[in-house]
Amino acid sequence: GENVEQHPSTLSVQEGDSAVIKCTYSDSASNYFPWYKQELGKGPQLIIDIRSNVGEKKDQRIAVTLNKTAKHFSLHITETQPEDSAVYFCAASERSDFGTGTRLTIIP
Amino acid sequence: DAGVIQSPRHEVTEMGQEVTLRCKPISGHNSLFWYRQTMMRGLELLIYFNNNVPIDDSGMPEDRFSAKMPNASFSTLKIQPSEPRDSAVYFCASSLNDRGYGYTFGSGTRLTVV
Repeated sequence: GENVEQHPSTLSVQEGDSAVIKCTYSDSASNYFPWYKQELGKGPQLIIDIRSNVGEKKDQRIAVTLNKTAKHFSLHITETQPEDSAVYFCAASERSDFGTGTRLTIIP
Repeated sequence: DAGVIQSPRHEVTEMGQEVTLRCKPISGHNSLFWYRQTMMRGLELLIYFNNNVPIDDSGMPEDRFSAKMPNASFSTLKIQPSEPRDSAVYFCASSLNDRGYGYTFGSGTRLTVV
């Protein structure tokens, strides 16, 4: 299956600043890259996704960039707010192989 | 739609007992996935179904685990006999199909085997 590496494992950001989470994958055939947010006691929730024919996608304060040549993609959260605190997972391939997660903490 | 519905939310059982986890996917979704989440191993895909047919069960840890999907609106994951190392949160997720669509996850079942 796909090997997905995610960094960092933990990230603390001052409220209002930006947060960036990066993932790399191994299978060049992968063409679908979703990001999930998991809050305490809940299941992961899809927040944004990108397909391999697109380099960047934005939805309000969240954006994802994809570099297929380098096989990496990133999640960018701007103007962070306390409710952004959660664990974020990236995934690659059609049947999502998940990264190990990033625990994001927004410091008020 | 009420989303993906899992039951029970919590299950505490003694080692050796049979455990059955249940899932109702979103109506119209053709793919259903069972994941296990632990601190050590993260999110692991156990098995997935497409149009009620098991497609890939390579993630099922051993013969003690079995999963069924008798119809489009119901699936079960069974552990028999259960062991303490099976303690984890088990998630069910559904998707339009298994080709490049995001998943909708249920709230999970927290299983504790003592």
